[in-house]
Amino acid sequence: AQSVTQLDSHVSVSEGTPVLLRCNYSSSYSPSLFWYVQHPNKGLQLLLKYTSAATLVKGINGFEAEFKKSETSFHLTKPSAHMSDAAEYFCVVSKGYSTLTFGKGTMLLVSP
Amino acid sequence: EPEVTQTPSHQVTQMGQEVILRCVPISNHLYFYWYRQILGQKVEFLVSFYNNEISEKSEIFDDQFSVERPDGSNFTLKIRSTKLEDSAMYFCASSEGGTRNSYEQYFGPGTRLTVT
Repeated sequence: AQSVTQLDSHVSVSEGTPVLLRCNYSSSYSPSLFWYVQHPNKGLQLLLKYTSAATLVKGINGFEAEFKKSETSFHLTKPSAHMSDAAEYFCVVSKGYSTLTFGKGTMLLVSP
Repeated sequence: EPEVTQTPSHQVTQMGQEVILRCVPISNHLYFYWYRQILGQKVEFLVSFYNNEISEKSEIFDDQFSVERPDGSNFTLKIRSTKLEDSAMYFCASSEGGTRNSYEQYFGPGTRLTVT
């Protein structure tokens, strides 16, 4: 079985400050991990993925995430938030080709 | 850039009615999926489809649900007799599949189903 816990339902930052969205996973095998973003009235867009290669993964729009097996974490970070980053972010775990298991999501709010 | 499309964007139906949600996956993709998200809850997997048959389904995907690829482009989800608890956002996704680097899923914008 696999599961994902997103520790914060909402995160508020000011424009230009760092972003940290936390995610912990549980998996009985070597997982694949993803972060998806959903802007209002848009579909789910893949930000980045970890598939057992480099533990530090770089994604689109300046986001990156680090896979830490010892901590079972896959936190998403960005050095400097932009207003356009305001959206809902989902941490997701998968067993290879298989189905995706989503976290509950973290709403990122960015203030000027 | 190719994208997954879904129609309609919003569907309102009465309890007990049949609905069909439509999706057009990315053209060279081979794996297709439906997920749903009830308001305030997690996105949940419903079913995956490959080579014209269901490859995996969740407990949610009971006999009221069915999927079909009626032609070379569309992928549909049918709910035979809708219940109030079927109200949710339904997402279609597709993936190229075949190798470890080609199974990432691309999602459509969703169809919001409201059952009254």
